[in-house]
Amino acid sequence: KNQVEQSPQSLIILEGKNCTLQCNYTVSPFSNLRWYKQDTGRGPVSLTIMTFSENTKSNGRYTATLDADTKQSSLHITASQLSDSASYICVVSSGNTGKLIFGQGTTLQVKP
Amino acid sequence: NAGVTQTPKFQVLKTGQSMTLQCAQDMNHNSMYWYRQDPGMGLRLIYYSASEGTTDKGEVPNGYNVSRLNKREFSLRLESAAPSQTSVYFCASRLGTGVMYEQYFGPGTRLTVT
Repeated sequence: KNQVEQSPQSLIILEGKNCTLQCNYTVSPFSNLRWYKQDTGRGPVSLTIMTFSENTKSNGRYTATLDADTKQSSLHITASQLSDSASYICVVSSGNTGKLIFGQGTTLQVKP
Repeated sequence: NAGVTQTPKFQVLKTGQSMTLQCAQDMNHNSMYWYRQDPGMGLRLIYYSASEGTTDKGEVPNGYNVSRLNKREFSLRLESAAPSQTSVYFCASRLGTGVMYEQYFGPGTRLTVT
């Protein structure tokens, strides 16, 4: 069964600190992996998309990594800001139809 | 350029009532999608329309119908609402169905069925 599992479920950090969110997937065939940010009461917004051959991709203070051998991805947030408080969703695209399989998300709270 | 818009933002229904959720995009995208998001679960695909004039079932289509009115608009209808349909509904669109196309989401409709 195609699944995307994220950990931790929730996380609280202090402003200015770094954090890493994890994503494990069992999706076949694999096409690409995406990270989305979802602010409370809003729709998800794309942060990164990585294909099988990409190990790392950055978007400002967000850096995603992908290990296609172990089927793991991480999202590292550097020098967190209050505006980083949101849910972060890992999404894997399967096959050549672009079907998306969503993880349940990690809720991040950044405190001053 | 508003992106993907959804109406209404909030709705409360009684069991058995019907309603239509509206979605429109102004990005000239071919493909449109309806998802539901429940606490502790990932977004689940209800229906999608790969192109104007076509619609297909997703993972959880029971209790819903859709209409791709034109290239811009894709509506989701609940014929007889049930408490299990209490959820947040997101519409999304993308230029095509190819694997690298970015998907853009609307702001969501929060639906409560009592």
